[in-house]
Amino acid sequence: AQKITQTQPGMFVQEKEAVTLDCTYDTSDPSYGLFWYKQPSSGEMIFLIYQGSYDQQNATEGRYSLNFQKARKSANLVISASQLGDSAMYFCAMRELIYNQGGKLIFGQGTELSVKP
Amino acid sequence: EPEVTQTPSHQVTQMGQEVILRCVPISNHLYFYWYRQILGQKVEFLVSFYNNEISEKSEIFDDQFSVERPDGSNFTLKIRSTKLEDSAMYFCASRPRQGLVTEAFFGQGTRLTVV
Repeated sequence: AQKITQTQPGMFVQEKEAVTLDCTYDTSDPSYGLFWYKQPSSGEMIFLIYQGSYDQQNATEGRYSLNFQKARKSANLVISASQLGDSAMYFCAMRELIYNQGGKLIFGQGTELSVKP
Repeated sequence: EPEVTQTPSHQVTQMGQEVILRCVPISNHLYFYWYRQILGQKVEFLVSFYNNEISEKSEIFDDQFSVERPDGSNFTLKIRSTKLEDSAMYFCASRPRQGLVTEAFFGQGTRLTVV
């Protein structure tokens, strides 16, 4: 079974508008962390934002926020005021604590976001 | 700002040849990883390394693969006899410590093309 699911292979958004990228996850580990990474066309992986399973508040980092709904096992990324430079592939990833001594990340399939001028 | 450095950025090799991908993690980091990304697909975990030994490896990381930290700064991934399906982007990553909160810092990747 997929541990991280991103159901939107591609998304379009108009410049300056907000966009939500979906991510659902599956784990039986009570302690886990959820991460979002951005991969521009140049290929590098850029960390954007993190949410811990015990965090009471949704994480925010500048124009990025994470809509964490624990009961629904979703961790959607919201990008406000989209910019042309936001066009990239976005990956949701999870790190489990107890079942993962090495601390590896498990990635979703990614969502390609295109921002239109 | 410290960063993870990978060399080379692009390597082309013939099927059956050995390749070594090199990484210099961030200097005070303790946990090291290799991931790969086949073109257009998701990022897949290969191996994690801590305290000079492998802490976990995936089913992809078979006997053809090995990792080393030969001199306390470099972290290498060796593929002994490359196959066409090894063509992918290989990412090295490092983390400073254990725990949920610390994000992994990724290198810019090495694009391996096996012909």
